[in-house]
Amino acid sequence: DAGVTQSPTHLIKTRGQQVTLRCSPKSGHDTVSWYQQALGQGPQFIFQYYEEEERQRGNFPDRFSGHQFPNYSSELNVNALLLGDSALYLCASSLGQRKRKEQFFGPGTRLTVL
Amino acid sequence: SQQGEEDPQALSIQEGENATMNCSYKTSINNLQWYRQNSGRGLVHLILIRSNEREKHSGRLRVTLDTSKKSSSLLITASRAADTASYFCATDESKGYGNKLVFGAGTILRVKS
Repeated sequence: DAGVTQSPTHLIKTRGQQVTLRCSPKSGHDTVSWYQQALGQGPQFIFQYYEEEERQRGNFPDRFSGHQFPNYSSELNVNALLLGDSALYLCASSLGQRKRKEQFFGPGTRLTVL
Repeated sequence: SQQGEEDPQALSIQEGENATMNCSYKTSINNLQWYRQNSGRGLVHLILIRSNEREKHSGRLRVTLDTSKKSSSLLITASRAADTASYFCATDESKGYGNKLVFGAGTILRVKS
């Protein structure tokens, strides 16, 4: 049973560039959430996708956008990168919206913006 | 913003000792979850306790929840060097659809062998 997978593992970009991160949820899961974790801090919720729609959003600017595909996989896009966007980006999957189940996390993508 | 706040920020113990970490939060919750993170990698789910539960066990882990005090504790018994990691509590406070988690800053646990 494959867990949550993310790609790439590491990424280096320069300010102003755009980046796309990818996530495949755990088998059987239909909900994908994205979190940003700065060094030394806890993860911060970016947004959550269910049925190919953004269902909840945290306090992140419009530069952060996403997409969910019919197979439940998801992408996180960040435009006009800033130095402060350097962080570990975590994807989590869960089952359903109202079942209040645990979220399972992938290994993360380490983004460095120079 | 982060709702959960873990205490202590860092904890260093000898192998075989028990480790206790505390978490406080501010609003009403559906459930509270504890996660472990090794060396800045992905989070591993440890245990979920619902708002109508007071205590839950899983192997060497014991979690308590006091909704009147808006606090939770994670006890790891008979700690091992492999338990060295950062531990986070996360609260699900979502109303209606969605289950966004709000994390604390974490407790760094070091178990010395």
